[in-house]
Amino acid sequence: NAGVTQTPKFRVLKTGQSMTLLCAQDMNHEYMYWYRQDPGMGLRLIHYSVGEGTTAKGEVPDGYNVSRLKKQNFLLGLESAAPSQTSVYFCASSYSLQGVQETQYFGPGTRLLVL
Amino acid sequence: GDSVTQMEGPVTLSEEAFLTINCTYTATGYPSLFWYVQYPGEGLQLLLKATKADDKGSNKGFEATYRKETTSFHLEKGSVQVSDSAVYFCALSDLNTGGFKTIFGAGTRLFVKA
Repeated sequence: NAGVTQTPKFRVLKTGQSMTLLCAQDMNHEYMYWYRQDPGMGLRLIHYSVGEGTTAKGEVPDGYNVSRLKKQNFLLGLESAAPSQTSVYFCASSYSLQGVQETQYFGPGTRLLVL
Repeated sequence: GDSVTQMEGPVTLSEEAFLTINCTYTATGYPSLFWYVQYPGEGLQLLLKATKADDKGSNKGFEATYRKETTSFHLEKGSVQVSDSAVYFCALSDLNTGGFKTIFGAGTRLFVKA
């Protein structure tokens, strides 16, 4: 099992450019998440999905869009990148057992620099 | 709303010292509690968890006990090693939030000197 993988590992964008980050999991998990990690702020939830074809906003959704067309993939899009979106982005997946969310499994992260 | 507060770092210890990283939480329901660890350049990975009051989670010499009366889940290790240097995150997952989201603390960076 590869677990959770993220593509790309590192990217530099100019302000106003767009890009898509890809997350893939091979554990058949229902739930998938996108977080951003900034120094001193821990992880903040951007968007999440509770199943194929569904998405929902997290704590900091502005400037991002997501799609989950297949259960194993969760895409994060930046339509018009801004320097404030410079961050490390982590994808995670999990499942629920008897109504309780179990452990989240994280990808290795994507480091994004917006100039 | 739900929240997690953990002690600020960095924490610097010598090898074989005793470690405590404090974590307290607020939640409206009956959350599951987690400690995750992040090594340099990697994603987070589960260290241990506890799903109900008085449960003790343990792994790799680390322990944490779910204390409902003090709403705490402090992380402890009796003798740290250089290889334990990492960032540690306390987190909760609350049934009342639908079980869909996890709230993370800000993280505590640990440095262990040889």
